[in-house]
Amino acid sequence: GALVYQYPRRTICKSGTSMRMECQAVGFQATSVAWYRQSPQKTFELIALSTVNSAIKYEQNFTQEKFPISHPNLSFSSMTVLNAYLEDRGLYLCGARDSSQNTLYFGAGTRLSVL
Amino acid sequence: AQSVTQPDARVTVSEGASLQLRCKYSYSGTPYLFWYVQYPRQGLQLLLKYYSGDPVVQGVNGFEAEFSKSNSSFHLRKASVHWSDSAVYFCVLNRDSNNRIFFGDGTQLVVKP
Repeated sequence: GALVYQYPRRTICKSGTSMRMECQAVGFQATSVAWYRQSPQKTFELIALSTVNSAIKYEQNFTQEKFPISHPNLSFSSMTVLNAYLEDRGLYLCGARDSSQNTLYFGAGTRLSVL
Repeated sequence: AQSVTQPDARVTVSEGASLQLRCKYSYSGTPYLFWYVQYPRQGLQLLLKYYSGDPVVQGVNGFEAEFSKSNSSFHLRKASVHWSDSAVYFCVLNRDSNNRIFFGDGTQLVVKP
C-alpha cells in the first residue's frame, strides 16, 4: 500500500538554529508534495507545493529563504526551517500526491519545538 | 468564502451510537473529496475518498460518506462508534488543477464510554 514516512517525528531546536525534516513516499510515485504546518488550533497552513520538474510554489507568508524545500525525485522531499523561532513551532505535515489515484497521503508529521 | 466548512467543532456521542459528521463544500465543478482522521499526536490518515460514481463511499473501520451535489455536502457516517474513534476528523476538498487542496477546520469527536 501507499505510505508516507516522515522524520524525525519530534525535534527540539534552539532559537535561531535550523532543522531539516524529510518525507519519503513508499509504494507510489509522489508527483507533487505539499508541506503544511498545523497550528495548535488544528488548522492547516499550506507552506508550499512542490511538483517534480517544476518550480516550488510558496504560499503568502512563507518563503524559500525561510523554508527551503528539495524534491529531487518521485519518492523524496525535504524541508528545512531556517533560523527557527517560537512562532515556527507546530506540527509540520508532508502530503504526497499519488496522481494515479488522485489521492494525497500524509506522513505522521514532524513536531517542532523551539527553545 | 471558505471552500470547506465543517459546522461542528466538537461532537460528543456515546459508544455504540450512530454518528454523522457534517461537511459542506463550495465548488461549482466536480470535486474530489476526502475524509481524514487525526489521532492525538499523530498525522493524518485517509478514511475514504470520492471522485465519481456511487455517491456513498465506504472507508476503513466502518466509516462511510455520502456525496450530495445538490446539497454540496459530503457527510461522514458510522453506524456504531467505538471509544477508539475519538479523534479529529477533517474533510478535504481538491478542486484545482494545480493540486491545491482545502481543509475544513476539523471536528473533534469525543466518544463517551
